[in-house]
Amino acid sequence: DAKTTQPPSMDCAEGRAANLPCNHSTISGNEYVYWYRQIHSQGPQYIIHGLKNNETNEMASLIITEDRKSSTLILPHATLRDTAVYYCIVRYSSASKIIFGSGTRLSIRP
Amino acid sequence: NAGVTQTPKFQVLKTGQSMTLQCAQDMNHNSMYWYRQDPGMGLRLIYYSASEGTTDKGEVPNGYNVSRLNKREFSLRLESAAPSQTSVYFCASSYRVSYTEAFFGQGTRLTVV
Repeated sequence: DAKTTQPPSMDCAEGRAANLPCNHSTISGNEYVYWYRQIHSQGPQYIIHGLKNNETNEMASLIITEDRKSSTLILPHATLRDTAVYYCIVRYSSASKIIFGSGTRLSIRP
Repeated sequence: NAGVTQTPKFQVLKTGQSMTLQCAQDMNHNSMYWYRQDPGMGLRLIYYSASEGTTDKGEVPNGYNVSRLNKREFSLRLESAAPSQTSVYFCASSYRVSYTEAFFGQGTRLTVV
């Protein structure tokens, strides 16, 4: 599985868009990019995933660069409840392991 | 629909004692996983089971054993607990394809004294 690199921490003002970057420069063609978050030591929660195209759901948007070497998770209107550790994961299409990195701790300022 | 259920939620063990952490999912998922999370750290994969009848080592398997009892249940056993195994343990499950998400339990907080 490709290794990912994320900043250890970020902060964002409430109501603004939070943009969380992830570098996965060794990603291969059949690896998906997943994002999860973990709120205050609860079990991680799935947010979104994608392969090549940008994706959007009710929680967030995922922007993947054309070369697929990096991606950005966008929370369009951050709230205090979005304070969490966000994990970017790259996973082979046929593999079963899900390997977490150290993630980005996102703090939302009131 | 309960999702992924872990038991117990909390446990204190003495060094050298053994115990089994239980995990069950009701989503008909093929794959199941066990992770540990030490304070202030990310999750590390201990063991996983890609499908019923198979198990494989993850990143940190030493000191643990697993059993995939059936499609629903995946247990983690500590044969001789050590203080270094003090951690929060998470179980997860997913379909065995890339385009679906994994669902996590709420964790078992284990302290070994």
